[in-house]
Amino acid sequence: EAGVTQFPSHSVIEKGQTVTLRCDPISGHDNLYWYRRVMGKEIKFLLHFVKESKQDESGMPNNRFLAERTGGTYSTLKVQPAELEDSGVYFCASSRVAGVGYGYTFGSGTRLTVV
Amino acid sequence: TQLLKQSPQFLSIQEGENLTVYCNSSSVFSSLQWYRQEPGEGPVLLVTVVTGGEVKKLKRLTFQFGDARKDSSLHITAAQPGDTGLYLCAGANKPGEYGNKLVFGAGTILRVKS
Repeated sequence: EAGVTQFPSHSVIEKGQTVTLRCDPISGHDNLYWYRRVMGKEIKFLLHFVKESKQDESGMPNNRFLAERTGGTYSTLKVQPAELEDSGVYFCASSRVAGVGYGYTFGSGTRLTVV
Repeated sequence: TQLLKQSPQFLSIQEGENLTVYCNSSSVFSSLQWYRQEPGEGPVLLVTVVTGGEVKKLKRLTFQFGDARKDSSLHITAAQPGDTGLYLCAGANKPGEYGNKLVFGAGTILRVKS
């Protein structure tokens, strides 16, 4: 089966601009997660979709971040306006089942650099 | 807030040596996952341990979940250059207070020299 696909793989934007990241999960995986790793820190949870619904968005840093999952398929994460501290690697992951004992399949990530 | 402390941060060893990576927390987790990540790629799941005291083996890799489900270890026997990479532990909980999300450790960068 095809894996989790993210694009772009890299994005360099200026402070104040808008960037949209996209994630295509594995087909049939209802659960989709966004995580990010900023320089020198741990990978941290951003939010969790179950199909098209936001199950948990407790990790979203502020209202400059907007995630959507139209039709329960692919998801987008928009940052508007981008700030320097938003630089990092944004990972998407998906799973068929959400629960203890089930692992996730991660995408290769989008490296975002805000200058 | 749940935290996972992973140690050591860096490990550089010769081919054939053994090593252990530790993952510790003051919180109880329902399960603990270990991932390996290579440059430019996302984390790849190696194993999930669920039961306190559980030991799982994956070829030369041995994973253990502490009895109290607060800590875990990864032991590699006779390391090979192909084991080089970033190893991450991640704790998971049953949906509820902490939601259905992973808490990651900072990672251990392993370099195995031939």
